[in-house]
Amino acid sequence: SQELEQSPQSLIVQEGKNLTINCTSSKTLYGLYWYKQKYGEGLIFLMMLQKGGEEKSHEKITAKLDEKKQQSSLHITASQPSHAGIYLCGADLNNDYKLSFGAGTTVTVRA
Amino acid sequence: GAVVSQHPSWVICKSGTSVKIECRSLDFQATTMFWYRQFPKQSLMLMATSNEGSKATYEQGVEKDKFLINHASLTLSTLTVTSAHPEDSSFYICSAPTSLGFTYTQYFGPGTRLTVL
Repeated sequence: SQELEQSPQSLIVQEGKNLTINCTSSKTLYGLYWYKQKYGEGLIFLMMLQKGGEEKSHEKITAKLDEKKQQSSLHITASQPSHAGIYLCGADLNNDYKLSFGAGTTVTVRA
Repeated sequence: GAVVSQHPSWVICKSGTSVKIECRSLDFQATTMFWYRQFPKQSLMLMATSNEGSKATYEQGVEKDKFLINHASLTLSTLTVTSAHPEDSSFYICSAPTSLGFTYTQYFGPGTRLTVL
């Protein structure tokens, strides 16, 4: 979606290193969702952010939504092979629960 | 977390035939479900909103007569691809919103891979 820019498109990280994925919107984010997908499979829900400045963590994954509610980042600490996959940000841009998705970030974790 | 299932997980059909895909919310009720389509190496694109007890609403460019949606109950929505053609081959995935405690989120099904020969 041109309304939602996700970067980088792909990244390769050494096991144990940190990584960050960004999701930027041209419109206000009424809800920002992070999912993980293995190619050809369903989406695994990671986190949902709604309030400006909000930050959530689960295990080694932290997601933040900036104060202006137009950008979110997903940070993985000490990456492991299990973190490999495609990360998608989905956004409710019109406060109607319909999600627009970024192009995705393919994460490869090298042992 | 909440679970959404889809059936079948994959289907191969001949051109011109119709295919029905089911989306079920297993442990919660969903008055609204969403249908997305994902082409290879691309992201998800919303096709339509399935509404229990009323007509589905379709996104711009999606043919409502080709992609029939029926939200028969609070836990089941079906997507029927009518007169399928090879260009309809794609990964179809549904989602259902729900609230867990005070948090609203959307859970996705595992997807259905459709191949039209």
